[in-house]
Formats: sequence, structure tokens, C-alpha cells
Amino acid sequence: GAVVSQHPSWVICKSGTSVKIECRSLDFQATTMFWYRQFPKQSLMLMATSNEGSKATYEQGVEKDKFLINHASLTLSTLTVTSAHPEDSSFYICSASRTMQETQYFGPGTRLLVL
Amino acid sequence: AQSVTQPDIHITVSEGASLELRCNYSYGATPYLFWYVQSPGQGLQLLLKYFSGDTLVQGIKGFEAEFKRSQSSFNLRKPSVHWSDAAEYFCAVFTGGGNKLTFGTGTQLKVEL
Repeated sequence: GAVVSQHPSWVICKSGTSVKIECRSLDFQATTMFWYRQFPKQSLMLMATSNEGSKATYEQGVEKDKFLINHASLTLSTLTVTSAHPEDSSFYICSASRTMQETQYFGPGTRLLVL
Repeated sequence: AQSVTQPDIHITVSEGASLELRCNYSYGATPYLFWYVQSPGQGLQLLLKYFSGDTLVQGIKGFEAEFKRSQSSFNLRKPSVHWSDAAEYFCAVFTGGGNKLTFGTGTQLKVEL
């Protein structure tokens, strides 16, 4: 139990285009989902927290208009990188938890390369 | 604010040898503590967690960790390492009053055959 999937697993796009990444909890309902960014050989940095049906809470320094997060259902959250630029290239990982204060289960990550 | 320190960036052990990965946290109250493992290009897999109760926690893949409040530590151990254990290991702390996981910088484990 507690499986989280992400789609796509990797994506290459041109600079200026938008990319949507999906995060799904497959066998449980996730009230809260989290989006992280990980640079090579570094730790995970939390970008935002989303609760189903509410606006996401972004960490300091994360551009809300750049990284659009939608948590429309208890099993799906999406991260849209708008007008992507090469500096947005990174490994994006989502996690999901049944409630805000429970264990987070992580997806396999999405590698984004912006050319 | 809470923080997590993993003092060892890299550790190399021989297959079959014992392993201990260090983790120290800074938090005023009793934290919720986690160890995750990440294989190259993959997401994180939960190894074990400590919320309360017995301070020695058993996890998957033969791992265990011990919470020591007096030392603010939550070290991960395994009595006999397998080559497949080579990966990045992250310690994390979750504060019950908040909703964030704070991760350590990770320890890269290499296993020599």
C-alpha cells in the first residue's frame, strides 16, 4: 500500500513552453501532497504543499506563477512549470500523505530538461 | 527552526560489513523522524520511522534505527550490508505542529564487493 506515481518520468521541452507533471496516489486518498525539487547530488527542497481543494502554500523563494500547483482530487496533484527555462531543469519529486501530519510517500520523480 | 545534520557525505563499506549512518536533529519537542533511501534517478523509499514508543525501530531491508533523545540522534544501522544497499540515504524530521519534512543533506553509501 501507499504507492505514489508520477507522470511523465522524464520530459524534454523547449525553452518557453509549459510542462505539466502529474502526481497520483494509487491506493490511498491523499489529503496533502508535496512538491520537491532536487538538484544533482543535493537534498530535496520543498517547493510547495497542497491540500485537496485549497490553494497551494509555496515556500519562500518559489515563484507561484512559475510553478502552478493544482490538487483537484484526493488522488491527483499537478505541477505545471510555465514558460520553462534551462534553469528550471531539475528532478521534481512529489509526495503524498493521508493527512497533513502523516508519513509522506514519495513518487519516483520526474526529470525535466529544458533546452 | 528544525534542522537535520548528516555528518558523513560519503561512506564506503565492504559487503557483509556492518553499517551505521549518522543523523542529528535540532528540534525543541519530540520530533517525528524518518530514514529514506534513494537509488540513482529514483524517488525516495521509506526505510523506517519513529513517532513514539520503543526507541529502537525496525525497518525494511534489515535496517534499524535508534532514537536517542539525549544525543538528538537517530542513527541508521544494518548488521550486514549487501551490494544492493548502495544508494543515497536521507534522514528527515517532521514537526508535528507543522507540515513539512526537513531533510538532511544525505549520505552516499558505496559498497565494495
